[in-house]
Amino acid sequence: KQEVTQIPAALSVPEGENLVLNCSFTDSAIYNLQWFRQDPGKGLTSLLLIQSSQREQTSGRLNASLDKSSGRSTLYIAASQPGDSATYLCAVSREPGAGSYQLTFGKGTKLSVIP
Amino acid sequence: AAGVIQSPRHLIKEKRETATLKCYPIPRHDTVYWYQQGPGQDPQFLISFYEKMQSDKGSIPDRFSAQQFSDYHSELNMSSLELGDSALYFCASSQGTSGKGEQYFGPGTRLTVT
Repeated sequence: KQEVTQIPAALSVPEGENLVLNCSFTDSAIYNLQWFRQDPGKGLTSLLLIQSSQREQTSGRLNASLDKSSGRSTLYIAASQPGDSATYLCAVSREPGAGSYQLTFGKGTKLSVIP
Repeated sequence: AAGVIQSPRHLIKEKRETATLKCYPIPRHDTVYWYQQGPGQDPQFLISFYEKMQSDKGSIPDRFSAQQFSDYHSELNMSSLELGDSALYFCASSQGTSGKGEQYFGPGTRLTVT
């Protein structure tokens, strides 16, 4: 059974700092990995998707890397802003069966960026 | 751009009542997923549909059932509600096997069982 772990569970940084969020998974037979952002009581916003054959993806100040063989991914946020404060969730999908790419989520890292 | 639509956004029910949650996927998406997120928990996969057929099943209680209709919208039916069913229920859609498997989530339905 796939297990996804995110470290740290919470992180508080001053505005402008660069930071790294970590995600690890136990079964390397994944199809893709997605990073999501979730604001309190709100929905999930997809930030980046990395296919299992890719090493990294970038979007603006965000960069996500994937090392499938070691079961690790990192989300790098450059020049953090107070608006980045949210919970960041990592999720992996397994090799698809009959069109299903069900996601297994980590418990998230709660980020607070202090002005 | 069109997003996933879920209705209702909030629902309050009493124990032992039934509830129906609806999900309208992004146009041309043929796969729908349902997830349950309890308070302070990570989302847990319940069930998925691909081309109107159930494609995968997770930790969905027997009291729950779901289906995907000809227009690709999906409904999650929940009966004999329990206090522990109080959660955020998310629907996500994707382009099945023709896409990269990227899932787009709706805003969720917050179900409160009293």
